[in-house]
Amino acid sequence: DAGVTQSPTHLIKTRGQQVTLRCSPKSGHDTVSWYQQALGQGPQFIFQYYEEEERQRGNFPDRFSGHQFPNYSSELNVNALLLGDSALYLCASRGPTKNYEQYFGPGTRLTVT
Amino acid sequence: ELKVEQNPLFLSMQEGKNYTIYCNYSTTSDRLYWYRQDPGKSLESLFVLLSNGAVKQEGRLMASLDTKARLSTLHITAAVHDLSATYFCAVDMRAGNMLTFGGGTRLMVKP
Repeated sequence: DAGVTQSPTHLIKTRGQQVTLRCSPKSGHDTVSWYQQALGQGPQFIFQYYEEEERQRGNFPDRFSGHQFPNYSSELNVNALLLGDSALYLCASRGPTKNYEQYFGPGTRLTVT
Repeated sequence: ELKVEQNPLFLSMQEGKNYTIYCNYSTTSDRLYWYRQDPGKSLESLFVLLSNGAVKQEGRLMASLDTKARLSTLHITAAVHDLSATYFCAVDMRAGNMLTFGGGTRLMVKP
């Protein structure tokens, strides 16, 4: 049973560019959340997708957008990259279980130069 | 706005010693999670605490939840080097829709 997978593993971009990160949820999971983790800090919630719609959003600007596909996989898009967007981006998925536990993927390390 | 605070932020301890990490949060919630993160890696789920008074144990780690005090603890018994990592607590306010994390406790266990 594959867990949550993310691609790419690492990415280097220049300020002003755009980036797309991808996530495939754990088998049987239908809800995908994205988190940003800056170095030395705890993860911060970006948004969550369920049934191909954004259900909840954290305190992130509109430069951050996402999408969920019919197979439950998801993309995170960031436009007009800033140096401060450099971070580990984590995808988490969960299924319809009582404890609502979220399972995290290995992350994508984004460096903006 | 929900705030989650962990202390200490950094903990250096000798092997064989006991210690407790504290996680305080500002708004009522009955669902709290503990995660472990190794350097450069993702988050590994340790415990899910779903109700007041919940206590979970796995090996040398034990977690508890007091929803009235808005406090969770992660107790380490007879620490070993392999427990060196950063530990995060996270509070779930919206039934699985959004986790709010503490700042993490970086644990270093010295031989």
